[in-house]
Amino acid sequence: AQSVTQLGSHVSVSEGALVLLRCNYSSSVPPYLFWYVQYPNQGLQLLLKYTTGATLVKGINGFEAEFKKSETSFHLTKPSAHMSDAAEYFCAVSPNTGFQKLVFGTGTRLLVSP
Amino acid sequence: EAGVAQSPRYKIIEKRQSVAFWCNPISGHATLYWYQQILGQGPKLLIQFQNNGVVDDSQLPKDRFSAERLKGVDSTLKIQPAKLEDSAVYLCASSTGTSRLRETQYFGPGTRLLVL
Repeated sequence: AQSVTQLGSHVSVSEGALVLLRCNYSSSVPPYLFWYVQYPNQGLQLLLKYTTGATLVKGINGFEAEFKKSETSFHLTKPSAHMSDAAEYFCAVSPNTGFQKLVFGTGTRLLVSP
Repeated sequence: EAGVAQSPRYKIIEKRQSVAFWCNPISGHATLYWYQQILGQGPKLLIQFQNNGVVDDSQLPKDRFSAERLKGVDSTLKIQPAKLEDSAVYLCASSTGTSRLRETQYFGPGTRLLVL
């Protein structure tokens, strides 16, 4: 079975500081990996995804993530936080065969202070 | 392009009552998903449709939950009877269904259910 662990239910940064949200996965086969963002009272929106190819993936709003197989990690980063980045972020894993079946982590709430 | 529509946005019921949620996916999207998101947790897939057929319902509590997508477009999720632990946000998502593994799921705003 596949699973995702997100370290830290809350992460606080100052505006302009580096954002680092951690995600580790467990999978018996190479997975597909996703990061979604959820703003208050809204549905989830895809930030970026890794399927195959380049392990450094760039997404929307200046976010990027790197797939590290040896560390079973897919951490999300952004060089400089904006107030508008405050939201909940979910890492998800899906098998690479059959139909897409997302298994989500418990989420990390990003707080950005002025 | 219109997004995924869901209604109602909020619902409060008493335990043992019934409730239904409606979802209209993005036009032309063949795949539709229902997720349950309990407070403090990530979304959990309940059921996935490909057109009007069920692809995966392994995590749907079938003794009380049911879902249908009769014409392969909009979908209804029902809970009968509701329990306190069903309090959650129910999210609907859709995708094109053409690239299966790599495609993007588009989520609606969700229906927030409170069972008293």
